[in-house]
Amino acid sequence: RKEVEQDPGPFNVPEGATVAFNCTYSNSASQSFFWYRQDCRKEPKLLMSVYSSGNEDGRFTAQLNRASQYISLLIRDSKLSDSATYLCVVNAYSGNTPLVFGKGTRLSVIA
Amino acid sequence: ETGVTQSPTHLIKTRGQQVTLRCSSQSGHNTVSWYQQALGQGPQFIFQYYREEENGRGNFPPRFSGLQFPNYSSELNVNALELDDSALYLCASSLTGRGTYNEQFFGPGTRLTVL
Repeated sequence: RKEVEQDPGPFNVPEGATVAFNCTYSNSASQSFFWYRQDCRKEPKLLMSVYSSGNEDGRFTAQLNRASQYISLLIRDSKLSDSATYLCVVNAYSGNTPLVFGKGTRLSVIA
Repeated sequence: ETGVTQSPTHLIKTRGQQVTLRCSSQSGHNTVSWYQQALGQGPQFIFQYYREEENGRGNFPPRFSGLQFPNYSSELNVNALELDDSALYLCASSLTGRGTYNEQFFGPGTRLTVL
């Protein structure tokens, strides 16, 4: 079983749609959770950290369920500029452990 | 921009050759991590350098090696290149400090093609 698994995608949605990304992780010792965004042929960039209490940043909402080892990202009112690959990332913090990435889910927002 | 730079941006090599990729970390950061991202996959951890010492390694063979210099810049060396080594190589810089997780900032990557 992969350490971090995401919806395979791709997701093709019209502008204005709401889209949800799901992710599960296998290491129950994982301490930190993130969503990264990666544009085509570019480096990954941190979109948002994910907290147990849930957190929101404008149109983006992230949720974490530690009991189920499940992470989600919701994008409301999709824009063309949201088209990218979204990577679910976990970190089993114990000093400075590496980031473990999911395969990513590609989103295309269509006009 | 993150302030993390990598060189070269693109590189083409043939099987069996050796390659050196370079990374300059963000000012004030003391840790560099290297990742390999094959096409259609998420980045995979290769190794990490902290204060010029290897500080963790992923599931990569010994022909992948690295260095970190006193100014915290880093090199990734790959010997005996194989076709499967074709990928985007990303370095990420961070500041290691006690008791906290510190964000890793990625450079733009080096795209390596092995023919």
